[in-house]
Amino acid sequence: DTGVSQDPRHKITKRGQNVTFRCDPISEHNRLYWYRQTLGQGPEFLTYFQNEAQLEKSRLLSDRFSAERPKGSFSTLEIQRTEQGDSAMYLCASSLEPHNTGELFFGEGSRLTVL
Amino acid sequence: GENVEQHPSTLSVQEGDSAVIKCTYSDSASNYFPWYKQELGKRPQLIIDIRSNVGEKKDQRIAVTLNKTAKHFSLHITETQPEDSAVYFCAPGDSNYQLIWGAGTKLIIKP
Repeated sequence: DTGVSQDPRHKITKRGQNVTFRCDPISEHNRLYWYRQTLGQGPEFLTYFQNEAQLEKSRLLSDRFSAERPKGSFSTLEIQRTEQGDSAMYLCASSLEPHNTGELFFGEGSRLTVL
Repeated sequence: GENVEQHPSTLSVQEGDSAVIKCTYSDSASNYFPWYKQELGKRPQLIIDIRSNVGEKKDQRIAVTLNKTAKHFSLHITETQPEDSAVYFCAPGDSNYQLIWGAGTKLIIKP
């Protein structure tokens, strides 16, 4: 399968713990996005990378959230000192710009439950 | 900030009938207008998109129409089938493809 893959698919943690999610985009894609989605809502933009550069980060994003894409391939999203409000599906998407004309290819997501 | 609204939030139609979902946006810089479909427990997938130099685009049973003056675009599905049941999201974006997502419309196809 050459699509976007995310790991782990499910994570249950206790409040205050740190969690890290990994995303492997489609191999030739230069853009990588992180979104958060809660039940009944659309994806909420968190941050995106063009190659290894983090070009934009949501103003609403807490400083407990950090993302990296050190070699311009896979990316990690870390949440420190998790809170119950962090419980959500974390979606990764990739695209190839300027050639891909806007289409985002999503992974299956990593579901986080904070107890 | 940018505001994106979808209407209705839930739409129930008889199988075989047509469905129309409307998306209203506020950002004048928007020039890319996609619709994504998300089936229950699955990832969002692009089903159709349109750019601001085009008023309408069709792909088999699916069409998107754009009214840039009024800042809205709509998804049209004809001859609806059970597999059309899903949540549909509009996500207007700028020339850098930075998308602002709507809250979604749940489409229910009644047999």
